[in-house]
Amino acid sequence: SQQGEEDPQALSIQEGENATMNCSYKTSINNLQWYRQNSGRGLVHLILIRSNEREKHSGRLRVTLDTSKKSSSLLITASRAADTASYFCATGDPTDSWGKLQFGAGTQVVVTP
Amino acid sequence: DTGVSQNPRHKITKRGQNVTFRCDPISEHNRLYWYRQTLGQGPEFLTYFQNEAQLEKSRLLSDRFSAERPKGSFSTLEIQRTEQGDSAMYLCASSFRVSEAFFGQGTRLTVV
Repeated sequence: SQQGEEDPQALSIQEGENATMNCSYKTSINNLQWYRQNSGRGLVHLILIRSNEREKHSGRLRVTLDTSKKSSSLLITASRAADTASYFCATGDPTDSWGKLQFGAGTQVVVTP
Repeated sequence: DTGVSQNPRHKITKRGQNVTFRCDPISEHNRLYWYRQTLGQGPEFLTYFQNEAQLEKSRLLSDRFSAERPKGSFSTLEIQRTEQGDSAMYLCASSFRVSEAFFGQGTRLTVV
């Protein structure tokens, strides 16, 4: 079973616009990670936010975490065509010290020039 | 290239054949994970290693699947008597303790 659920399932925007996607999860976590996957390729790690953090930035990415609502959001600002990809959130279980991740089904983002 | 390396990138096999995939993790990473991803879904955890010890196996990993990590370096995932339902992308990831997991490009398996 998958822990996280991303919303929306698909997002289509124009270059320069911002893209926001959300992730909800069910159980307690020690961290939440966002990954990007280009079609048919491996996953690229974008950002990790720990359970005691509320917001984190990396370049054009902004991630928020609300543990009371068990949700996270990923904002991509000033999107580019190269941002076209699927985006996944993945959670780490605090009862599992080994760090295995549970992924959602992803948000498919299409950025048109 | 110092990232996670997976071989082969693509594998087409006939139903009933055995296949083996290899993963070379980032050298200083002591944890190695295998995930399976089907079309339109996120990766699903299969198994992981701490050094050479296999610590957990998902119930997705049937008796036809076996994974090894001799000497705590590279890992292999073998599927015996492949079935069409085994067609998927098999992803390997490595990490150092509980931190970011870095993924390889995956091995896409097609069982015909």
